[in-house]
Amino acid sequence: DAGITQSPRHKVTETGTPVTLRCHQTENHRYMYWYRQDPGHGLRLIHYSYGVKDTDKGEVSDGYSVSRSKTEDFLLTLESATSSQTSVYFCAIRGTGGISYNEQFFGPGTRLTVL
Amino acid sequence: AQKVTQAQTEISVVEKEDVTLDCVYETRDTTYYLFWYKQPPSGELVFLIRRNSFDEQNEISGRYSWNFQKSTSSFNFTITASQVVDSAVYFCALSEAFGNEKLTFGTGTRLTIIP
Repeated sequence: DAGITQSPRHKVTETGTPVTLRCHQTENHRYMYWYRQDPGHGLRLIHYSYGVKDTDKGEVSDGYSVSRSKTEDFLLTLESATSSQTSVYFCAIRGTGGISYNEQFFGPGTRLTVL
Repeated sequence: AQKVTQAQTEISVVEKEDVTLDCVYETRDTTYYLFWYKQPPSGELVFLIRRNSFDEQNEISGRYSWNFQKSTSSFNFTITASQVVDSAVYFCALSEAFGNEKLTFGTGTRLTIIP
């Protein structure tokens, strides 16, 4: 157990509303990632962070922003949700030492539905 | 750019049969990591294996084995004597070995074990 939680676990919202998903880790990992999972696409990277206030874009970053003001929390924000952002969102952390080096451990996921 | 191809979208086998899941990758990096993850019907992502590109030895873990062949850019996964609990979606993934080590996933193979 890598100590990763995501909140909320399920959310239904309407087009045009802002949505923030939270990823929380308890083990002081430096690297954190947000992916989305869609049928036929596998998982695709949205944004990642390599430290507090250090973030960068992934493959599918349009329409998303992130923030990391402290090591344990990585927030993903949809400024104005669209139906194309209906997906399952996974947060991940990367192990940085020992046998877990470079292994990515995933949170339980958040199922977001945009109506 | 990195790419992972899992050509088998769905596979069904009868329990106790052996099954191989194919994974072919593309990368310009000389050093990289390959991964397999399992996603059971409950939805979480379970880490199975990480393989460094320098280590071409095949690996066996119980009923699971992995065949890494750099010459064909393949990292195939075999389940021996399959069981119903093996039913899941399996993802192959690739990451660079240095830097931010973002994961590039294949589209997944849905494996169904028929009792």
